[in-house]
Amino acid sequence: QKEVEQDPGPLSVPEGAIVSLNCTYSNSAFQYFMWYRQYSRKGPELLMYTYSSGNKEDGRFTAQVDKSSKYISLFIRDSQPSDSATYLCAMSASGAGSYQLTFGKGTKLSVIP
Amino acid sequence: ETGVTQSPTHLIKTRGQQVTLRCSSQSGHNTVSWYQQALGQGPQFIFQYYREEENGRGNFPPRFSGLQFPNYSSELNVNALELDDSALYLCASKEGYNSPLHFGNGTRLTVT
Repeated sequence: QKEVEQDPGPLSVPEGAIVSLNCTYSNSAFQYFMWYRQYSRKGPELLMYTYSSGNKEDGRFTAQVDKSSKYISLFIRDSQPSDSATYLCAMSASGAGSYQLTFGKGTKLSVIP
Repeated sequence: ETGVTQSPTHLIKTRGQQVTLRCSSQSGHNTVSWYQQALGQGPQFIFQYYREEENGRGNFPPRFSGLQFPNYSSELNVNALELDDSALYLCASKEGYNSPLHFGNGTRLTVT
């Protein structure tokens, strides 16, 4: 079992739809949770960054962390064609020293006009 | 823009050769990490440098090595290239302890 599992999709939705992206993980030491967006031929771009459990909202994006279930989600409201990209979840353990991120494989999203 | 720039953007090398990839981070970003992203996969952690010292390493062999310089630039060196080293190599930097990593656009390395 991989430390971080993410459905690679592809996921195709109509413009304006609500998109739900998810990851599960097995390492209970993970404390920091991130979502990155990666366009083709570009590096990952940070979307959301949360510490421990709870919700965080930023514009059309909402990140949820449920540490008891080892499950994180990213919701995109009113999806736009410009949201078409690969979405990567990433997480790391707390503590000083190495800040190694463990990534999921990424979910490829297409928003159809 | 993340302030992390990488060069070159593309590179083609032959198996057995050596390669050096370069990264320039924002001023004040004392931590730099390197990741390898194979096609269709998430990035894999190679190693991390803090104030010019390696302070974390992933499951990569010693032929992957790095350097970090006082001017916030860094290098990734790979010796004895193998076909499986073909990937997008990403540099990322961060400012403080609880700050997230910000990535550059990567160098796409092809080994033939």
